[in-house]
Amino acid sequence: QVQLVQSGAEVKKPGASVKLSCEASGYIFTTEYVHWVRQAPGQGLEWMAIFNPGGGGTNYAQKFQGRITMTSDTSTSTAYIELNSLTSDDTAVYYCARGSRYLDHWGQGVLVTVSS
Amino acid sequence: QSALTQPASVSGSPGQSITISCTGTYNDVGHYPYVSWYQQRPGKAPKLMIYDVTYRPSGVSNRFSGSRSGSTASLTISGLQAEDEADYYCCSYTTSSTRIFGTGTKVTVL
Repeated sequence: QVQLVQSGAEVKKPGASVKLSCEASGYIFTTEYVHWVRQAPGQGLEWMAIFNPGGGGTNYAQKFQGRITMTSDTSTSTAYIELNSLTSDDTAVYYCARGSRYLDHWGQGVLVTVSS
Repeated sequence: QSALTQPASVSGSPGQSITISCTGTYNDVGHYPYVSWYQQRPGKAPKLMIYDVTYRPSGVSNRFSGSRSGSTASLTISGLQAEDEADYYCCSYTTSSTRIFGTGTKVTVL
């Protein structure tokens, strides 16, 4: 079965960077896009970016342009997202999800806390 | 780009039908038939309930249905059950090839 397993919780200081991972299994990793979605405490879902593990193509929500780097390791079927220049507003649960027009499988989410 | 607009809350009694609206613009909901809906229970990851406006993934109850008219999409839950109590989010493909979520709707079963 399709599974997306994300790395553990992170605590970062303002101005730092965080790199999150998303290990995929149960399907051919390079044939499906990976999305990143976040949810601040008590808030709604916010789409951040999409990555094509097969070709490396990316697209981002305008607010994250220049602050996100997405990569993958096809040998381990793992996608990564790095978010730079963290502020307290980046405190959220970050999800990876598989799909193109829609997100059909989701990781369990990982809490990133930004605090001095 | 602002989030798609959903009502903050919708409630209904068991057995009733409820409808959640999702209003966007010509650059998203009104442009492509690529609206999806997600159910999220507290502390859990979202779950896909409807895709491409009207299609249900395997395993999702046929009590859930979707539609679209112009720049507004809708999710209808028929025969409301206690287990349907959750937050629901719409999501649309956009003309910038990005995705955008709705503001979210809390469904309460009275």
